Amino acid sequence: SQQGEEDPQALSIQEGENATMNCSYKTSINNLQWYRQNSGRGLVHLILIRSNEREKHSGRLRVTLDTSKKSSSLLITASRAADTASYFCATNPDSWGKLQFGAGTQVVVTP
Amino acid sequence: DTGVSQNPRHKITKRGQNVTFRCDPISEHNRLYWYRQTLGQGPEFLTYFQNEAQLEKSRLLSDRFSAERPKGSFSTLEIQRTEQGDSAMYLCASSVRQGTETQYFGPGTRLLVL
Repeated sequence: SQQGEEDPQALSIQEGENATMNCSYKTSINNLQWYRQNSGRGLVHLILIRSNEREKHSGRLRVTLDTSKKSSSLLITASRAADTASYFCATNPDSWGKLQFGAGTQVVVTP
Repeated sequence: DTGVSQNPRHKITKRGQNVTFRCDPISEHNRLYWYRQTLGQGPEFLTYFQNEAQLEKSRLLSDRFSAERPKGSFSTLEIQRTEQGDSAMYLCASSVRQGTETQYFGPGTRLLVL
């Protein structure tokens, strides 16, 4: 079973626009991570936010975490065609390190 | 630092055959994870190692699956008597230390069982 659910399932935007996707999860977490996956490839780590953090930035990425609502959001600003990929949130619910992924948001950025 | 590597990248086999995949983690990473990903879904946890010890195995993993990490470096994942339902991308990841650290993923091995 999967812990998280991303919303929307798919997102289509034009270059230069911002893309926002949300993740909801069910159980308490130690941290939450966002990954990107290009078609048929491995996952690339984007950002990690710990349960005691509320917001984190990395370049054009902004992640928020609301543990009271068990939700997180990923914002990609000024999107580029190269941002076309699937984005997954993954929660780390315990100290053992295994990640529980959602089904992902498929983002298409058109020039 | 060459990243996590996986071999082969693609494998086509007939139902009933055995297959073995290999994962080489980032050097000095003591944790190694295996995940399985089917089309349109996120990765699902299969098992993980700390050094050579297999510390957890998913209940989703049938007894046809076995994983080893004999010297705490590379790992192998074997599937015996493959079934069509085993067709998926098998991903390996590694991390240093425990719990909250980032996992670095390999490119995956795509398995197709005919």
